Amino acid sequence: LAKTTQPISMDSYEGQEVNITCSHNNIATNDYITWYQQFPSQGPRFIIQGYKTKVTNEVASLFIPADRKSSTLSLPRVSLSDTAVYYCLVGTNLNQGGKLIFGQGTELSVKP
Amino acid sequence: NAGVMQNPRHLVRRRGQEARLRCSPMKGHSHVYWYRQLPEEGLKFMVYLQKENIIDESGMPKERFSAEFPKEGPSILRIQQVVRGDSAAYFCASSDINTDTQYFGPGTRLTVL
Repeated sequence: LAKTTQPISMDSYEGQEVNITCSHNNIATNDYITWYQQFPSQGPRFIIQGYKTKVTNEVASLFIPADRKSSTLSLPRVSLSDTAVYYCLVGTNLNQGGKLIFGQGTELSVKP
Repeated sequence: NAGVMQNPRHLVRRRGQEARLRCSPMKGHSHVYWYRQLPEEGLKFMVYLQKENIIDESGMPKERFSAEFPKEGPSILRIQQVVRGDSAAYFCASSDINTDTQYFGPGTRLTVL
């Protein structure tokens, strides 16, 4: 599975837009990009998944350039409750392996 | 639609005892995954199961750890003769046959005294 690199930590203030970029230079043709959010003492929560271009849902947007070697998770107007660790993962459909490989994640701290 | 359920949420064992962690996948999901998160570390894959089959156990320690997902009932992660280094949060995730999105449970926090 492709290795991912993302910043260890980021700081932001309430109401700002936060963009977290993840590098995955060795992404394979069949790989999808998935982001999870984890609060302390809780299980990871699925945020968004994409293959190319842009994906948007009620929580976030995911931007993927044409070469797919990186991706950016965009959180609009963050609040204090968005303080969490965000994981970028790259992998294929479960039928071809299934396991998720988590990196260290990005610890986002939102301040008032 | 209930999410992934895990019990117990907290489990305390003394060294040498056995720990049994249970996971009930989301309704309609037939794939279960177990992950372990040591303090201040990221999640590490342990095992991937489908009903009555172990698909990938490449992340399981070679000794003392076993997992099953029977035809009926929850998936069980069993740790025999626990040691202090087994203290961690154990998360279960499930997915259905059509997507690769895994949904996680709240975890079981194992403390070995």
